[in-house]
Amino acid sequence: AQKVTQAQTEISVVEKEDVTLDCVYETRDTTYYLFWYKQPPSGELVFLIRRNSFDEQNEISGRYSWNFQKSTSSFNFTITASQVVDSAVYFCALSEAGNAGNMLTFGGGTRLMVKP
Amino acid sequence: DTGVSQNPRHKITKRGQNVTFRCDPISEHNRLYWYRQTLGQGPEFLTYFQNEAQLEKSRLLSDRFSAERPKGSFSTLEIQRTEQGDSAMYLCASSYAGRSTEAFFGQGTRLTVV
Repeated sequence: AQKVTQAQTEISVVEKEDVTLDCVYETRDTTYYLFWYKQPPSGELVFLIRRNSFDEQNEISGRYSWNFQKSTSSFNFTITASQVVDSAVYFCALSEAGNAGNMLTFGGGTRLMVKP
Repeated sequence: DTGVSQNPRHKITKRGQNVTFRCDPISEHNRLYWYRQTLGQGPEFLTYFQNEAQLEKSRLLSDRFSAERPKGSFSTLEIQRTEQGDSAMYLCASSYAGRSTEAFFGQGTRLTVV
């Protein structure tokens, strides 16, 4: 069975600090997909990134970057120069390719608070 | 707005009453998912449809829960004889089958059972 663990339940930083959100996953499949979603106070889950298990290249998108390491089953998310608007709950999720419906298994989320 | 739409946004009901939620997916998406999210937790999968067929149901979906997707368009989630433990955010998502594309979520329906 698949599992996603986000050990950090809450992180508080001051604006402009860099922050890394940790994600560790468990799966028996060799082909799977990893995701990060952002949930602002409005409640809607906003898609940030999807990576497949065969692509371990790190990715950077503006102030966001992701570090995927299969050796440690981790898919960490870094926000550089954080801003108040980054305050939200961030979820890491896993979908196994053998799962025909691509259902997502979510971690418990990390609440990020960025203070001015 | 071409995103996933859910109605109502909020619902307060008395224990024992039936409630129904509606989800309108992104029009070209043939997969539709329901998730439940309790306070401080990540969303948990409930069920999903491909077109009008309900292909998977979680063990979380008790007999009091039923979901439909007539004609493969919008979907409804009904909870009969609501219990206080049903209080949660019910999230709908849609995606396009064929390859592992990301799911787009609606803003959810927050249910409070009093």
